[in-house]
Amino acid sequence: KNEVEQSPQNLTAQEGEFITINCSYSVGISALHWLQQHPGGGIVSLFMLSSGKKKHGRLIATINIQEKHSSLHITASHPRDSAVYICAVLSNTGNQFYFGTGTSLTVIP
Amino acid sequence: KAGVTQTPRYLIKTRGQQVTLSCSPISGHRSVSWYQQTPGQGLQFLFEYFSETQRNKGNFPGRFSGRQFSNSRSEMNVSTLELGDSALYLCASSPSGSRSGNTIYFGEGSWLTVV
Repeated sequence: KNEVEQSPQNLTAQEGEFITINCSYSVGISALHWLQQHPGGGIVSLFMLSSGKKKHGRLIATINIQEKHSSLHITASHPRDSAVYICAVLSNTGNQFYFGTGTSLTVIP
Repeated sequence: KAGVTQTPRYLIKTRGQQVTLSCSPISGHRSVSWYQQTPGQGLQFLFEYFSETQRNKGNFPGRFSGRQFSNSRSEMNVSTLELGDSALYLCASSPSGSRSGNTIYFGEGSWLTVV
């Protein structure tokens, strides 16, 4: 049983396209994180959400607590956005992180 | 401000041996958490330490242990290594940990290969 489901698993886009990555979860949460992992392993936390919407540059993250769903949008995608994007939720019981399997994004020039 | 530093970056161990990995958090951060990442299982939470106390623990066997020192530096230890322990081990720090919903900052990870 996966507490966090992400879609799609793989995504290829042309430079400039609008991209959406979805995350659904089945546990009660206190926070949701969107992470970015580049080849080589390093992970960067892009957003931490507990409600609503956040924007940082070309990236937008939304969360709907009632529907247990979050989306990460990338506007005007660029080849440097190519990475694996991981959704992680912090459960509100046990304070444990659960991770999605990641979405591998490739943006072609 | 220096980021999260993990050492060593790469290591190879033999089955049955033990390994100790180190993590130095960002200065002022009191929470350190550890994660295992494998191609098959993805990212999995190991444990979180805050002010030298283990606060949360994931579903890993007792061979996986950790500790945190008074300067917030943390170590994790895996005893009696198995081939399946080959993974990228990531450490992350935050000011006051998961309960406050802080942003977490990851290190580059330690790549462990068990042969």
